[in-house]
Amino acid sequence: SAVISQKPSRDICQRGTSLTIQCQVDSQVTMMFWYRQQPGQSLTLIATANQGSEATYESGFVIDKFPISRPNLTFSTLTVSNMSPEDSSIYLCSVEGALAGGDNEQFFGPGTRLTVL
Amino acid sequence: SQKIEQNSEALNIQEGKTATLTCNYTNYSPAYLQWYRQDPGRGPVFLLLIRENEKEKRKERLKVTFDTTLKQSLFHITASQPADSATYLCALRGTSYGKLTFGQGTILTVHP
Repeated sequence: SAVISQKPSRDICQRGTSLTIQCQVDSQVTMMFWYRQQPGQSLTLIATANQGSEATYESGFVIDKFPISRPNLTFSTLTVSNMSPEDSSIYLCSVEGALAGGDNEQFFGPGTRLTVL
Repeated sequence: SQKIEQNSEALNIQEGKTATLTCNYTNYSPAYLQWYRQDPGRGPVFLLLIRENEKEKRKERLKVTFDTTLKQSLFHITASQPADSATYLCALRGTSYGKLTFGQGTILTVHP
């Protein structure tokens, strides 16, 4: 299993500012994932972050809005740039763990609850 | 387009009864399906995985079925307890692409 911590746990930000969310894993992992969970909605994958390469973004998400860093195998950051109220959401960091048989489960951090005024 | 639907936003049952949650999908050929539990203010926690060639999987009071003909998974919690109250999410990983896609979740409340 993997233990994931995120900072901050919550924040209230002003429109037009940026917030950087940190994700720390207790073991080395190849891929880290960033999800968004808007109020009452399910999880939507923002991007996949591999150490040593550019993050891969899902449709509807762009690097200028959500720049990601992955400096080593246990750490990643997600920045929410030029925020608007529509960015109010929970942001979750995730990694994969191997199950017997070669399939993977996902481990999630506790999330960062962002409110943009 | 690919779509995952969980049968209802909320399910209320009495303690001791069996809770049954449904996950339907369209335009998918999933390699496997997973169920997660999410408590308020927490990230999802993995519960069970069932592969496309499996019909049923059990873990303690949990049972998952997978019908690739109906494109449906059922998630059962037997002898439910108030501590089982949470949001339950199904998630699919397709055979052609490794992204895990989540349903919108069902909020289960077990009343004492």
